[in-house]
Amino acid sequence: KAGVTQTPRYLIKTRGQQVTLSCSPISGHRSVSWYQQTPGQGLQFLFEYFSETQRNKGNFPGRFSGRQFSNSRSEMNVSTLELGDSALYLCASSLFGQGTSNEQFFGPGTRLTVL
Amino acid sequence: DQQVKQNSPSLSVQEGRISILNCDYTNSMFDYFLWYKKYPAEGPTFLISISSIKDKNEDGRFTVFLNKSAKHLSLHIVPSQPGDSAVYFCAASAHGSGNTGKLIFGQGTTLQVKP
Repeated sequence: KAGVTQTPRYLIKTRGQQVTLSCSPISGHRSVSWYQQTPGQGLQFLFEYFSETQRNKGNFPGRFSGRQFSNSRSEMNVSTLELGDSALYLCASSLFGQGTSNEQFFGPGTRLTVL
Repeated sequence: DQQVKQNSPSLSVQEGRISILNCDYTNSMFDYFLWYKKYPAEGPTFLISISSIKDKNEDGRFTVFLNKSAKHLSLHIVPSQPGDSAVYFCAASAHGSGNTGKLIFGQGTTLQVKP
């Protein structure tokens, strides 16, 4: 079974631009979660999607958004990029995102650098 | 407010010996706990998990112990191998509609296994 894939693996953008990251979950997994990893804050939850609906959202500004498609693939978008948005963005999938079905499997991440 | 804490930033052990990684949590609503291993420039790899109804779970060389009264869990790796050298993250999740798809991560412990 293929793992979680994320594209692109690396991105360099300038302040003010916007970026879209893509994630394909493990086949059969319906929950997709997104995380931001930075040296100072560690791994922080961004949001979770299930059946094309955002079910949960972390404490990030509205510049961070996402969506999920009918095939469970997900995208996240960051608008008006700031230097502080430079981070590793990780996507994770799980069966249902609840209880013991919240066992999440991570993709390799997208390294975003904002100049 | 750091709900999941890994107080040891680093740990060094000799090959063949036991590695013990510790994690403390503050939120009594957490009911599912997971350990991940992470190499640089890769996403976290799921290792082992434990539900709050158990106090021990074993998978090969990896055993996780949960002490709910102390709000403490630990990961034992026996015997330790050089390939185990990585950053280990403890994560926790809670039930409920506001917690779907969300893992709260500790800051990580860097394990070095010396040959």
